[in-house]
Amino acid sequence: EVQVVESGGGLVQPGGSLRLSCTVSGFIFSAYAMSWVRQAPGKGLEYVSGISGSGRLTFYADFVKGRSTISKDNSKNTLYLQMNTLRAEDTAVYYCANFKGGFWGQGTLVTVSS
Amino acid sequence: QAVVTQEPSLTVSPGGTITLTCGSNTGAVTSDHYPYWFQQKPGQAPWTLVYDISNTYSWTPARFSGSLLGGKAALTLSDAQPEDEAEYFCLLSYNGVRVFGGGTKLTVL
Repeated sequence: EVQVVESGGGLVQPGGSLRLSCTVSGFIFSAYAMSWVRQAPGKGLEYVSGISGSGRLTFYADFVKGRSTISKDNSKNTLYLQMNTLRAEDTAVYYCANFKGGFWGQGTLVTVSS
Repeated sequence: QAVVTQEPSLTVSPGGTITLTCGSNTGAVTSDHYPYWFQQKPGQAPWTLVYDISNTYSWTPARFSGSLLGGKAALTLSDAQPEDEAEYFCLLSYNGVRVFGGGTKLTVL
């Protein structure tokens, strides 16, 4: 059975940092690209960042470029998203997803507020 | 960053057929955009329905199909069921960077 579990969300002040984690099981993690997707309250889905199976290629949406770093540890079956200089508009549920495999986590809520 | 467009809302009658589309402001959608379609119901995480234009999963109901139509990616729902009422999002790839469409709220009424 495939499991995708995000963690690391919470309340952070504007300008602060947060590291999200996504631990997976049930598929060969190193074989698949992984992505982070966010959804602000009442809004649509927004692609944040992606990484190739090997971890060598990374991709970022313009709104996080320079402020976030995606990485993966294939030995731990874990995906990360380091987010810095957080803004109020970064408030959202952040999902970890394997698009090709069709697997999504349940999301972790990030709230940026003073 | 590219802009991906979807119909904001559509309505289909139970048992009816409807096509949702997904366009790109950079031109025609092609196989190089690796179109995906997702379904999301209120309070739930999204589900992946279709990948790479028309490929489906074991959990994708047979009444959903994907295609390229008139320069856009398309998701066709045949024999709509009440449980198909949801928001549908498409996703396109631009040299590895993905962009979601704004979503189509589908009402089955």
